[in-house]
This record gives sequence, structure tokens and C-alpha cells, in this order.
Amino acid sequence: EAGVAQSPRYKIIEKRQSVAFWCNPISGHATLYWYQQILGQGPKLLIQFQNNGVVDDSQLPKDRFSAERLKGVDSTLKIQPAKLEDSAVYLCASSLGNRDSTTEAFFGQGTRLTVV
Amino acid sequence: KQEVTQIPAALSVPEGENLVLNCSFTDSAIYNLQWFRQDPGKGLTSLLLIQSSQREQTSGRLNASLDKSSGRSTLYIAASQPGDSATYLCAVRPAAAGNKLTFGGGTRVLVKP
Repeated sequence: EAGVAQSPRYKIIEKRQSVAFWCNPISGHATLYWYQQILGQGPKLLIQFQNNGVVDDSQLPKDRFSAERLKGVDSTLKIQPAKLEDSAVYLCASSLGNRDSTTEAFFGQGTRLTVV
Repeated sequence: KQEVTQIPAALSVPEGENLVLNCSFTDSAIYNLQWFRQDPGKGLTSLLLIQSSQREQTSGRLNASLDKSSGRSTLYIAASQPGDSATYLCAVRPAAAGNKLTFGGGTRVLVKP
């Protein structure tokens, strides 16, 4: 079974530029998550989708971050404009569902973003 | 608001010693708890998932226990090897609206040959 795919693996941009990350979840997984992991910390949830609807985006900085999941499969996360503090690893994860035994989450390799 | 804490932040042991990693959470109303391993520059690999109704889960040299009432989970790794060096993260799934997976800060483990 193929895992969660993310691209690119690495990205370096200047502050105030824009960047986009792509995620393809495990086939059949209805729930998709984007996490931000700053060096030395645990991942923090940015946004959670159930199919193509948003379940939780309470920690997404909506003035600069946006995410979409068209057709309930692939997802993109965009930052515009980027700030230095956005430097982090952006992790995508998916799970079969979001309740009970279906909630085991599987993560992709992440995209390491460096803003200079 | 659910908070997850992992202490210590870092741990160094000689090869062959058993590892004991701790995770505590503030709200005992959870669906499940998941332990992950993260190698430097990599994503997270799921190790074990314990449902709220379970007391422990085992996989090979790994054993995770869950005491929901006291808000604690412990990951035991028997007979540690240098290849076990990594950061170990626990995450809880609250049984609440939205039930987002909430992570601890992780424990960075070094197993010395």
C-alpha cells in the first residue's frame, strides 16, 4: 500500500514570497491533516479536512495560510506572503476516518521550508 | 484544552538497556493514543496505537501502556539498539468535537554502542 506522498521535500524561499505544498493521502482515507513542526517541537495541527470539508482550522493563520482539498483527495497548502517564523517542516497525514478505531494517522515525509 | 507532555526531552542510554518513555495528558476523555518515531529530517512513523478501552499494546520489542484515569502512557523498548536512536512522540485523540490529534514535544533518544 502506498503511503502519504508529499512534494517538494525541501524548499528555500525569501521572506514575502509565496510557496505551495502538495499532499496525496493514502487511497480511501477520508481525513487529511496538515501539521507544522518547528525544530525541537511536536507537530501542531494547522487544518483538518473530512473529505473536502474543513473540520478544524482554528490554528491556521488565515491572513497568510490557505489550504484546499478539491474532490476530497489531494490537498495543497499555500503560504503567501511567507515570514521568517514560517520556517518549519510541514507534515501531511491521513486517516481512514476521524472517529474511534479509524483514526490511526499515517504521515508523509514532510516538506522542510526555510525562509531567508 | 488537551495538553500533552513528554518528559524527559532527551535521554541517552547504553546499548542493551531498556528504554522507558513517558507521556502525560490533561484530559482523560480520549478515543486513543498513538506513539510515533521520527528520524532526523524525516516524517513520522506510527509505532503503536492504543484504543481508550485498552490497557496496553505490544509490537516486537515495543510495549505501550495506557492509564487513562491518571492521564499517562508509557512506551517501553526492550534491549535498546543504536538503531532505536530517534525522537519518540506521543499523540492523543480527544473524544470531543473535532477530536484533533494533539502531540507532545517528543523525547529525543540516543542509544550509545
